[in-house]
Amino acid sequence: GQNIDQPTEMTATEGAIVQINCTYQTSGFNGLFWYQQHAGEAPTFLSYNVLDGLEEKGRFSSFLSRSKGYSYLLLKELQMKDSASYLCAVPTGGGNKLTFGTGTQLKVEL
Amino acid sequence: DVKVTQSSRYLVKRTGEKVFLECVQDMDHENMFWYRQDPGLGLRLIYFSYDVKMKEKGDIPEGYSVSREKKERFSLILESASTNQTSMYLCASSLETSNQPQHFGDGTRLSIL
Repeated sequence: GQNIDQPTEMTATEGAIVQINCTYQTSGFNGLFWYQQHAGEAPTFLSYNVLDGLEEKGRFSSFLSRSKGYSYLLLKELQMKDSASYLCAVPTGGGNKLTFGTGTQLKVEL
Repeated sequence: DVKVTQSSRYLVKRTGEKVFLECVQDMDHENMFWYRQDPGLGLRLIYFSYDVKMKEKGDIPEGYSVSREKKERFSLILESASTNQTSMYLCASSLETSNQPQHFGDGTRLSIL
């Protein structure tokens, strides 16, 4: 089975850097996804990691350590619009099914 | 861009009614999914489909059924709505190739009175 843990809430200041952690336990690892979801909106795909290391995409980066069952999403130069829920998810079985964590609600303050 | 469209943003129904939630995607994706999202519980998979007329149960299929008569359309059916089915329902689609991201619709907030 799959087990995914994320912090429930985080608060950070505009312009700062924040790291959102995700730990997982899976019966067979096949990559990890990060999604962003603004209140009342659809989740949108941010990143996918399958190999160890850091993948950078503009202000957002995602890191994976398969041996530690650990990933993080790094958000730089925070903006107010980054206030959202951030979901990590791992593939579960076939058919591109995903198991999602419960999400980390990030609040960016002035 | 992938477009996943859910028929209603908000829906109010009564206990015992049969409820249909519709989802259409325009990118010829093989896989389609229905989730519900509740505070503190995250996204939970109800059903998914990997081809026309094919379906598989997810983690919480009880009280729901699905229909996929055409590739672009995936319907979720609440056979006899109950108050504990009040939730946000999200539809998603993806290519069948391994590890493709899922693309989500805007969701339907369903209230059962």
